[in-house]
Amino acid sequence: AQKVTQAQTEISVVEKEDVTLDCVYETRDTTYYLFWYKQPPSGELVFLIRRNSFDEQNEISGRYSWNFQKSTSSFNFTITASQVVDSAVYFCALSGHSSYKLIFGSGTRLLVRP
Amino acid sequence: DTAVSQTPKYLVTQMGNDKSIKCEQNLGHDTMYWYKQDSKKFLKIMFSYNNKELIINETVPNRFSPKSPDKAHLNLHINSLELGDSAVYFCASSQPTGSGGNEQFFGPGTRLTVL
Repeated sequence: AQKVTQAQTEISVVEKEDVTLDCVYETRDTTYYLFWYKQPPSGELVFLIRRNSFDEQNEISGRYSWNFQKSTSSFNFTITASQVVDSAVYFCALSGHSSYKLIFGSGTRLLVRP
Repeated sequence: DTAVSQTPKYLVTQMGNDKSIKCEQNLGHDTMYWYKQDSKKFLKIMFSYNNKELIINETVPNRFSPKSPDKAHLNLHINSLELGDSAVYFCASSQPTGSGGNEQFFGPGTRLTVL
């Protein structure tokens, strides 16, 4: 069975702090894909990143970075120098090689205070 | 240009009514999905169509029936609405490459409230 766990329900930081959102996944597939989506207060779901199971390179995009570690089945997301606009619910998701559906974690609500 | 659009954005209705939510994508994708987000923000797949063919049908009550008239449209019809159907329903689309793992583009969501 596939499962995604985001143990942090809510995180509150002060602007300019760095924050890491944790994601742990379970799957029996050898080929799989991991995603992060952002859901701001306006409600839409915004794609942030996709990573396949064969690519363990960390990725950086501006203030965002992702750390994929197969050994610990984790795909963590770090926001550097957080801003108020980063306040949102962040979802980690998983899909298998032969399945089109996304299995979402329960989300982490990030509040960045000025 | 809106990539994935849904109508209506808000839907308030009485228990027992039948309602439909429409979804259209202009991305040229072959695969479309319906997800349900409950009050605790938990997102779960309901259905998926690939080229108008149903490929995913999760454990969803028979009162929910998806319909795909063409690969750019995926509608969701709900019969005999119940209080527990209140949620936000998201449509999404992706371009399959014969396997999973493609980015799914989501619509803005339809907030359904059953009174």
